Amino acid sequence: QQQVKQSPQSLIVQKGGISIINCAYENTAFDYFPWYQQFPGKGPALLIAIRPDVSEKKEGRFTISFNKSAKQFSLHIMDSQPGDSATYFCAAKVGGNKLVFGAGTILRVKS
Amino acid sequence: DAGITQSPRHKVTETGTPVTLRCHQTENHRYMYWYRQDPGHGLRLIHYSYGVKDTDKGEVSDGYSVSRSKTEDFLLTLESATSSQTSVYFCAISQGTGTNGYTFGSGTRLTVV
Repeated sequence: QQQVKQSPQSLIVQKGGISIINCAYENTAFDYFPWYQQFPGKGPALLIAIRPDVSEKKEGRFTISFNKSAKQFSLHIMDSQPGDSATYFCAAKVGGNKLVFGAGTILRVKS
Repeated sequence: DAGITQSPRHKVTETGTPVTLRCHQTENHRYMYWYRQDPGHGLRLIHYSYGVKDTDKGEVSDGYSVSRSKTEDFLLTLESATSSQTSVYFCAISQGTGTNGYTFGSGTRLTVV
């Protein structure tokens, strides 16, 4: 019940295309859903986050879509750029301010 | 990363030896966490702290202990290192309110031989 399932494991997208990463969860007590971006040799950095009372949040080229009834949320990267090539993690917050992370998606944007 | 420092950045150690990793923050955040990152597993919580001397176990706490004697420092100890503990270890901090999320350190790459 504490798991967050993330797909795909890896993704290759052409420059200018849309990258889509999906996550699913079971625990309805999760109340905060962030996405993290990680470049090689660095720690993950907060990219964008959403609460379950909102169905969509957009920040620049990054959008989270949230489907509470399906217990799914996704990250969309519009106009993907080579600089977006990184590992992306979805996460969900449980009690005690703890985050549970998905397994990660390695994104490569081909120029 | 600003406000959070992990040391050492890299370490190679022998099986059976104790190892201590340090996380230091200058943000005065209440919450501190230790995660390990392994391919195919994402980030898994080892231990966390919600205040000085207040700590609790995460999902993969076996073989690890932690201590927090000051707000700014959170130590992770591998009591007797095993090859399965070869990993990249990340410390994170959080204010614990609102939607600030976590700030992660740059990680410690630990190899147990």
